[in-house]
Amino acid sequence: GAGVSQTPSNKVTEKGKYVELRCDPISGHTALYWYRQSLGQGPEFLIYFQGTGAADDSGLPNDRFFAVRPEGSVSTLKIQRTERGDSAVYLCASSKGASDSYEQYFGPGTRLTVT
Amino acid sequence: AQSVAQPEDQVNVAEGNPLTVKCTYSVSGNPYLFWYVQYPNRGLQFLLKYITGDNLVKGSYGFEAEFNKSQTSFHLKKPSALVSDSALYFCAVRDVPYNNNDMRFGAGTRLTVKP
Repeated sequence: GAGVSQTPSNKVTEKGKYVELRCDPISGHTALYWYRQSLGQGPEFLIYFQGTGAADDSGLPNDRFFAVRPEGSVSTLKIQRTERGDSAVYLCASSKGASDSYEQYFGPGTRLTVT
Repeated sequence: AQSVAQPEDQVNVAEGNPLTVKCTYSVSGNPYLFWYVQYPNRGLQFLLKYITGDNLVKGSYGFEAEFNKSQTSFHLKKPSALVSDSALYFCAVRDVPYNNNDMRFGAGTRLTVKP
């Protein structure tokens, strides 16, 4: 079946601009995660949704970052007033449910470059 | 907080030889441990996990990993490496029940299998 999809695959923006990154999880997966991966590093947790609500947003680096999942499926990560340090690959993952034993299925990522 | 260490940035093996990719972890509670593989321009793919039970876990593509509580390790192994196994490997841990949602990843180990 279809996996996790993310759009766009690449995004180049100027410092100070606003960007939106989209994630479409596997159908039926209620849990959705956002991660950020910098070069030479492993993914870094940003936020976790169970259904429509953000169950844990402790990984968001500051209030410029925000994410929504209004209907419990597609999620959008929003970054305001982008900075060069925001440049990274943003990964989305989904899993069957809230249990922490479930493995996550990752999308291919959105490469964000802030110039 | 939980943490993961992958002490080797790079592992090189000859095709047909056994391979080991090392991972150690630190948690306050019980570790849920995962291995993922990342191929170029593709998302992370789940290989295997340890939640409870048998310390030797078998996963996809002939990989296995052994949970060692006394050494706080979860090394990934394969008896006979293939050139197609060349990729970036990530170990990840969840600290249950203290930090269920924040799956911490190691920095990754690049495996190169030479013909």
